[in-house]
Formats: sequence, C-alpha cells, structure tokens
Amino acid sequence: AQSVAQPEDQVNVAEGNPLTVKCTYSVSGNPYLFWYVQYPNRGLQFLLKYITGDNLVKGSYGFEAEFNKSQTSFHLKKPSALVSDSALYFCAVDTGRRALTFGSGTRLQVQP
Amino acid sequence: EPEVTQTPSHQVTQMGQEVILRCVPISNHLYFYWYRQILGQKVEFLVSFYNNEISEKSEIFDDQFSVERPDGSNFTLKIRSTKLEDSAMYFCASRREGSYEQYFGPGTRLTVT
Repeated sequence: AQSVAQPEDQVNVAEGNPLTVKCTYSVSGNPYLFWYVQYPNRGLQFLLKYITGDNLVKGSYGFEAEFNKSQTSFHLKKPSALVSDSALYFCAVDTGRRALTFGSGTRLQVQP
Repeated sequence: EPEVTQTPSHQVTQMGQEVILRCVPISNHLYFYWYRQILGQKVEFLVSFYNNEISEKSEIFDDQFSVERPDGSNFTLKIRSTKLEDSAMYFCASRREGSYEQYFGPGTRLTVT
C-alpha cells in the first residue's frame, strides 16, 4: 500500500529565509508526486508535480521540490519565504491509479 | 481561470437523512473524484469516476455512498443514510485527459447531528 509521511506538523520560518517542508513516501512502482496548498476556507490548490525526468521541479509561487529516489523523499522548498506563504501544505502520491494518497499536512507559518 | 465549484459550502443534517453534495468540475475535464477530510485527519480518497462509471473506490465508499453525473456539468455524491462519523469536509476534484494533476473545489462541510 502506498503512503506519505510529513514528519513536521508545523514549520516556522522568518520572512525572507529559505523554507523546506519535508515529505517522504512509500510506494511499489514509480511514484507520481504532488504538492498542494490549502488556505483557510479554500480548497486544495495544486503547486507542482513530479512525474518523470529532472529531479528538481518548479511550480507556482516560486516553490520547487526535489525528487530523491534513494531517500524516497520529495521535499518542498522556496528560497525566500513570504508571509503570504503561510498555509497548510499537503504532499500526495499516486502510483498511476489516479487516486491520490495524502500526507497529514504541514502548517507553514512565516513570521514577518 | 476555470475552477471546480461545490455546493453547498456547509450542510447540516440529522443522522439517518440523505444528503446530496454537488460539484461542477472544470468543463473540459473528464475524470472526477471525491475525497473527504475528517477534522484533524488526512484527506482520504473516496471514489473516481470516468466515462459515466466508477473507475475506482476506497473501502470507505460503501453501499451508503453513490455518485452520479446527472447532466453534462454536475457531479454529485449522495449519502443515503448519514451517520455521525460522516461529518467531514468533502472535496470534489477533476482532471483533464492526458494530465496528472487534479484540481480541487473549495469543499462542502457536512455536519451530521
């Protein structure tokens, strides 16, 4: 069975500093990996995906993520955090069945 | 930019009642999904739908649940006899042919009393 782990319930970072939100996965087969963000009272917004190819993928709002097959990780990163990045971030995996399995979410708090 | 919409935003119902949650997927999308998120827990897959039939469902999606695409735009989730534990946020999502990412609606908060 596939699973996703987000080991941090919350990440705190100062505005302007780099941020990392961690995600590890467990699947049989090649994973399709995604990051979504949820703002209060809003749905899940797609940020970026890894399907194949370059291990570093870039997405919306300056976010990027690095796929590391040996560590089974897909950490979300941003070089310079903004206060407006404060939200709930979800990592998800799909092994081609098109049913996403989500992590438990990480709350990102960016302090001014 | 096109969005997935869901109605109502909040539904309160009594245990044992039937509810229908409605979704309008993005117009050129062909794959449709329902997920739910019980408060404080993970987002969980319920069902996927393509070409007017269920393509996959989770163990959560038992006989009390059903999905339908009654016309060319709506996609509905029906819960026949609601239980207290059905209280959750229900998200609809859609995906276009040839792409991998799903686009989610804002959710319907279902409260069963």
